[in-house]
Amino acid sequence: NAGVTQTPKFRILKIGQSMTLQCTQDMNHNYMYWYRQDPGMGLKLIYYSVGAGITDKGEVPNGYNVSRSTTEDFPLRLELAAPSQTSVYFCASSLDIIAYEQYFGPGTRLTVT
Amino acid sequence: EDQVTQSPEALRLQEGESSSLNCSYTVSGLRGLFWYRQDPGKGPEFLFTLYSAGEEKEKERLKATLTKKESFLHITAPKPEDSATYLCAASHGSSNTGKLIFGQGTTLQVKP
Repeated sequence: NAGVTQTPKFRILKIGQSMTLQCTQDMNHNYMYWYRQDPGMGLKLIYYSVGAGITDKGEVPNGYNVSRSTTEDFPLRLELAAPSQTSVYFCASSLDIIAYEQYFGPGTRLTVT
Repeated sequence: EDQVTQSPEALRLQEGESSSLNCSYTVSGLRGLFWYRQDPGKGPEFLFTLYSAGEEKEKERLKATLTKKESFLHITAPKPEDSATYLCAASHGSSNTGKLIFGQGTTLQVKP
């Protein structure tokens, strides 16, 4: 199993550009999450999904969108990138809410200039 | 407001010098308390889940404990390879989504 994979690893965007961060898991997990991590601030939840076709906002959803058309994939869309979106983005997944330790991908480092 | 606070922010130890990391939580109806290890440039790696006060879990030189207000990660005779950022996270009772509230982390450096 590859676990949780994310692409790209690094990206530089100009203000106003858009992009999609890809996340795929091969563990057949129902629950998937997107976080951003800023220095000294811990992980903040952006969006999450409890299954294909079901998504909801987390703590910091503004400026982002998600979709979940399959169990495996959970892409994060940035529209009209802003410098405040410079961060490291992590995707995570968990099997269910009983054994719900989350497994994280390697992250995408995004810089908006 | 649900909150998770970790202390200290940074900790420097000599190899073999045991110590503890603290995670204080204010969460309504705790469902689980999680510890993760994060190496530079990588995603967090799951270590432990604790579900109820008094519970303890061990893995090599690490032992996690839980009370009603805080959790401790005890590191016994640490080695340089234990250097990393350790993250604590809590899941509260009203959440049926598995959502976690993370602390800001403790960065541990173990010198040989």
